Amino acid sequence: TQLLEQSPQFLSIQEGENLTVYCNSSSVFSSLQWYRQEPGEGPVLLVTVVTGGEVKKLKRLTFQFGDARKDSSLHITAAQTGDTGLYLCAGDRRASGSRLTFGEGTQLTVNP
Amino acid sequence: EAGVTQSPTHLIKTRGQQATLRCSPISGHTSVYWYQQALGLGLQFLLWYDEGEERNRGNFPPRFSGRQFPNYSSELNVNALELEDSALYLCASSSKGEPTETQYFGPGTRLLVL
Repeated sequence: TQLLEQSPQFLSIQEGENLTVYCNSSSVFSSLQWYRQEPGEGPVLLVTVVTGGEVKKLKRLTFQFGDARKDSSLHITAAQTGDTGLYLCAGDRRASGSRLTFGEGTQLTVNP
Repeated sequence: EAGVTQSPTHLIKTRGQQATLRCSPISGHTSVYWYQQALGLGLQFLLWYDEGEERNRGNFPPRFSGRQFPNYSSELNVNALELEDSALYLCASSSKGEPTETQYFGPGTRLLVL
């Protein structure tokens, strides 16, 4: 059983469309990170959310942490081809032996 | 500030051989993590080193091992390579000084086992 469930697993959209990806868990996290990974490269940190209900904006990307700190969402407005990549969420449960627990990722393809 | 570096970028081995992958963390970071990422899939946690000690390991066989050196760089060794070991191996580092657990990743080593 995956501790962090990401949905959808795959998403293919046209440039200019909006999209939302989700990261859900039954566990509470002290913080949650979102990363983007491009083919053949390592994941790059996009944002860290800490407070329940927190909303952070990074240009066209909006990140929200659930009130109970169990889930998060990433909304992209007017997607561009450069947004293509694997989006990973990762939760910090201080008691976890690996520090961060990663979801399986959402593979986003933005078509021109 | 230099990021996490990994070497080599690509590695080709045959079944039964041994592979050694290297990682240098961000300066000041004492924790190093290793992950395996099979093609198109998520990250599978392998090993966590901090202050030279192995803190935890994921659900991988003992032929996956490693160590952390006094300068906090790290090696991942994979013995008796199998075809299914072909993957991108990612190293990440973190600092205890940050208020949240944030891991910074290197570009990875692409291992191909033939």
